[in-house]
Amino acid sequence: GQQLNQSPQSMFIQEGEDVSMNCTSSSIFNTWLWYKQDPGEGPVLLIALYKAGELTSNGRLTAQFGITRKDSFLNISASIPSDVGIYFCAGQLRRDDKIIFGKGTRLHILP
Amino acid sequence: GAGVSQSPSNKVTEKGKDVELRCDPISGHTALYWYRQSLGQGLEFLIYFQGNSAPDKSGLPSDRFSAERTGGSVSTLTIQRTQQEDSAVYLCASSAKGQGDGYEQYFGPGTRLTVT
Repeated sequence: GQQLNQSPQSMFIQEGEDVSMNCTSSSIFNTWLWYKQDPGEGPVLLIALYKAGELTSNGRLTAQFGITRKDSFLNISASIPSDVGIYFCAGQLRRDDKIIFGKGTRLHILP
Repeated sequence: GAGVSQSPSNKVTEKGKDVELRCDPISGHTALYWYRQSLGQGLEFLIYFQGNSAPDKSGLPSDRFSAERTGGSVSTLTIQRTQQEDSAVYLCASSAKGQGDGYEQYFGPGTRLTVT
């Protein structure tokens, strides 16, 4: 079945640094989604991508839908303490298909 | 408007007992998902309801797990004869067509299940 490989598994950075994480798939998707989960809460959608090559920003966050349709990345610029959490990528092949999640990237900010 | 709600927020049960977890999706959302998240892990897909179509049950880990969605709205996830490895946070999400051709999911806060 479809699988998403998300990397890195965890990151430890200094406040103010830029962050980059990515997601690759063994098969194509037509929708890529990026979510953030804070402790004790459900994931919240950050960015949705619907077209190959699409580059979309949401404040300090930027995500791209890879040309091959098999990958996506998320960048966070000038990290701040509230960026701490788990970031999940997710993909969907067709509009009515289930959405597949990666295993998450855990972002830690060092004091 | 109101988001996805789940109840109970926490459930502690003894091994071997049955439990029911409830999800109230966002009104009008045609799709509803159940996921399981073990401590420090990612989201494990369990089951997916889309409109009147037969549910996708491919993620249910065993026949002890079942789910229903009544009237295209509220859903109940039932776990029979619970085992300790069932302990996890159970997340529900609903979605409707968003921009472009995709669906955007909105998650509930989850039910934390502890089997003792």
